[in-house]
Amino acid sequence: DAGITQSPRHKVTETGTPVTLRCHQTENHRYMYWYRQDPGHGLRLIHYSYGVKDTDKGEVSDGYSVSRSKTEDFLLTLESATSSQTSVYFCAISEGPDRYEQFFGPGTRLTVL
Amino acid sequence: KQEVTQIPAALSVPEGENLVLNCSFTDSAIYNLQWFRQDPGKGLTSLLLIQSSQREQTSGRLNASLDKSSGRSTLYIAASQPGDSATYLCAVVFSGTYKYIFGTGTRLKVLA
Repeated sequence: DAGITQSPRHKVTETGTPVTLRCHQTENHRYMYWYRQDPGHGLRLIHYSYGVKDTDKGEVSDGYSVSRSKTEDFLLTLESATSSQTSVYFCAISEGPDRYEQFFGPGTRLTVL
Repeated sequence: KQEVTQIPAALSVPEGENLVLNCSFTDSAIYNLQWFRQDPGKGLTSLLLIQSSQREQTSGRLNASLDKSSGRSTLYIAASQPGDSATYLCAVVFSGTYKYIFGTGTRLKVLA
């Protein structure tokens, strides 16, 4: 299995609080992705990174920010959590999406009350 | 808009059947297509990656084919087993992008 960990694995928080999710990889892959998975919507891309300090938005980026200061770490921040951000969040990595596989972390289940 | 569709959303088959899962995409200009398996409450596990230049890939009882001109891929599972029960997702990387676009998946149940 690809070396990808996510922390925390479960979190319950209240509306309006900031939340940071961490993705850590040991594979030295250039690309890292954050997705959310919701019933009826499948997997939707939030943000992705194509190198240290290089990030871009996905299709559902509103309310989320990301940072990548090291190759191995990709942080997802909810500046002020809302109930609509209750979801399962997955991190993924790839050496290069034009020719290589994408590998997924175990996920973080976030509940915003 | 670049989209990926999987039909049917759910499928139940008796053990031992050969079955085909479908994935269609809206633009034939792609880098690759990847099939995943997801068990309930778990992350996604990569099954097969098909490059744009390839027509098919095989791994054990799984065979994935790619027809770019028609915008379709199929995942063939031979001699299905109850352990194959899971949700199967396909993802496409369209040319000129570095994003994976996912279908909503087919939930497969293999009955013993």
